[in-house]
This record gives sequence, structure tokens and C-alpha cells, in this order.
Amino acid sequence: DTGVSQDPRHKITKRGQNVTFRCDPISEHNRLYWYRQTLGQGPEFLTYFQNEAQLEKSRLLSDRFSAERPKGSFSTLEIQRTEQGDSAMYLCASSFSGRGNEQFFGPGTRLTVL
Amino acid sequence: AQSVTQLDSQVPVFEEAPVELRCNYSSSVSVYLFWYVQYPNQGLQLLLKYLSGSTLVESINGFEAEFNKSQTSFHLRKPSVHISDTAEYFCAVRGGETSGSRLTFGEGTQLTVNP
Repeated sequence: DTGVSQDPRHKITKRGQNVTFRCDPISEHNRLYWYRQTLGQGPEFLTYFQNEAQLEKSRLLSDRFSAERPKGSFSTLEIQRTEQGDSAMYLCASSFSGRGNEQFFGPGTRLTVL
Repeated sequence: AQSVTQLDSQVPVFEEAPVELRCNYSSSVSVYLFWYVQYPNQGLQLLLKYLSGSTLVESINGFEAEFNKSQTSFHLRKPSVHISDTAEYFCAVRGGETSGSRLTFGEGTQLTVNP
């Protein structure tokens, strides 16, 4: 299967701990996106990369959040000092750049902060 | 800034009945419009998209959506639904090529098809 993969699929942590999620995009795609989805809501944009450059960040991405894509392939999203409000599904998507590019989504990482 | 409103959070219908899931958007620039579907325990999948040209777009499984610029709507329709269409449906908007790359999603509509 050559779709977008995310690891882990589920993460339970205690408040105040740091967590890191990984996303492996479709290999030919140069754009990679992170979204967050809470229960009963649609996905909300967090940030995106074109190759290794982080080109856009949402104001939702507080200073406790950091994302990297060091070699323009996989990406990591780290949350420091987690809070209960961080509990959500974190979605990764990838696409080609260009007009009307379809974003292909991974299965998500469900984070629960106790 | 763009926003998307999905007017119905839940739509229950019987099998073989027609269905319409409503989506309105607001944007100060020209937009691209998308419908994504999320089946239980699966990731989001693109159902159909409008970029330009014909205002009526179709998916391979019988759904269609019509872009209406004057009413800023992109409603999703299917003339006869199946049990397997039960899923959550998200309408999304993206600004045109000179705008950012982010998708802005609505809150979703849960379609439940009953036998």
C-alpha cells in the first residue's frame, strides 16, 4: 500500500508529557499537511510543508507545537507539555503542488491526554 | 479568509431514497471546492471536486455536486442511496492558486442510510 501512513495510530499520555507523531506521505508528493480534528468537528489546518520548507502555520499551532520535515520526506509533529485540550485526532495529508491538488489523507493519530 | 457551513449535522434516510447534503461557503477570492467522505475507522477520501469549467461534477459512485456561485453553495446529491453510503461527509474549500494551500472544512454531515 503506497498511501499516507501515520504512526502511532493511538497515543494515550498524561498531562505535561511530550508526544511525537510521524507521518510518511506518498513518496512522489512534495507537499505535506497537518490537520487536527476534534469530536464532532471538521479537520482544522495546522501547518504545511513544501519539500522541507514550512510555508504556512495556523494560529492554532501554539508554541508548544513544532513540526519538521527535515529531508522533504517524512514529517514529525511534536507537542510539548500536553494539555487535555490537545486531545484530538491528528491528520496528515500529502499532495503534489499545483492547481487543485488533491490532498490524500492518512488514517490519523488519536491522542488522548489524561 | 474562507469558511464553510454544512447546514445539517445529521441526515437519516432510507435505502434507495434521494439525498441532498447542503454546503455553503464564504470567500473573498475564487475558490476550489471539495467533498470528502470518511467511513467508520477510515481516513478521509476525496469524493469529488470543482476547480473550474462545468459547474456540475460527478463521482464514480453516483454522487454529484453543483457549484452555484451566486448562492455560494456546493450541495452534494445522490438520487438513490445505499446502505454502504453511510458515512460522514465533509465539504471543504481552498482558495484559488494565488491563495494559501490549506483546506477549510465544514463541521461534517453524518449520513445514515437505513434499510
